[in-house]
Amino acid sequence: DTGVSQDPRHKITKRGQNVTFRCDPISEHNRLYWYRQTLGQGPEFLTYFQNEAQLEKSRLLSDRFSAERPKGSFSTLEIQRTEQGDSAMYLCASSSTGYGYTFGSGTRLTVV
Amino acid sequence: GESVGLHLPTLSVQEGDNSIINCAYSNSASDYFIWYKQESGKGPQFIIDIRSNMDKRQGQRVTVLLNKTVKHLSLQIAATQPGDSAVYFCAEILSVTGTASKLTFGTGTRLQVTL
Repeated sequence: DTGVSQDPRHKITKRGQNVTFRCDPISEHNRLYWYRQTLGQGPEFLTYFQNEAQLEKSRLLSDRFSAERPKGSFSTLEIQRTEQGDSAMYLCASSSTGYGYTFGSGTRLTVV
Repeated sequence: GESVGLHLPTLSVQEGDNSIINCAYSNSASDYFIWYKQESGKGPQFIIDIRSNMDKRQGQRVTVLLNKTVKHLSLQIAATQPGDSAVYFCAEILSVTGTASKLTFGTGTRLQVTL
């Protein structure tokens, strides 16, 4: 296991479609985080899992967004009825202790 | 590929010179701070961290300074190289325990290394 993997790397979708992204964290990391990054900005926190429990959600995570981590390993982030404002880089990170976050390379979403 | 930080503050440094990147953080109660480097099309890459009970920490070619009085962090890069060109972000964590372990990122700085 060499790091945090995210799939796909790029996604272009039409407005109104649903999309799902996957994150595979470092295997021994029990904490998993999703962030969103728009051009010119730092990443913004979306949600946090410890094992399979979703412990915190940002107000940025509207009801069109849902994240799961069913077995405490990989996680998915789904966006329903995509809007142009959802276009961004979606980053996943994992950690074992709360220190030493490792980020994946992200999924670049473009809504047209 | 896409560009990170199209409208960010930019620091231009000649190769071989030292770079100093500054960051103001927001929460005086934050416990832990990290500097990240981000290249175009990639996720943030860990550079160095520091806990709130320290005021200086050194790594290989990098030093982080923490001034809690004015809520200020700086990243010093010695002998800057072309491969150091990227956008740099500082990030803070309120507490690494429980649900407060999310990162809050500061405004990034683009470092351009000229030959």
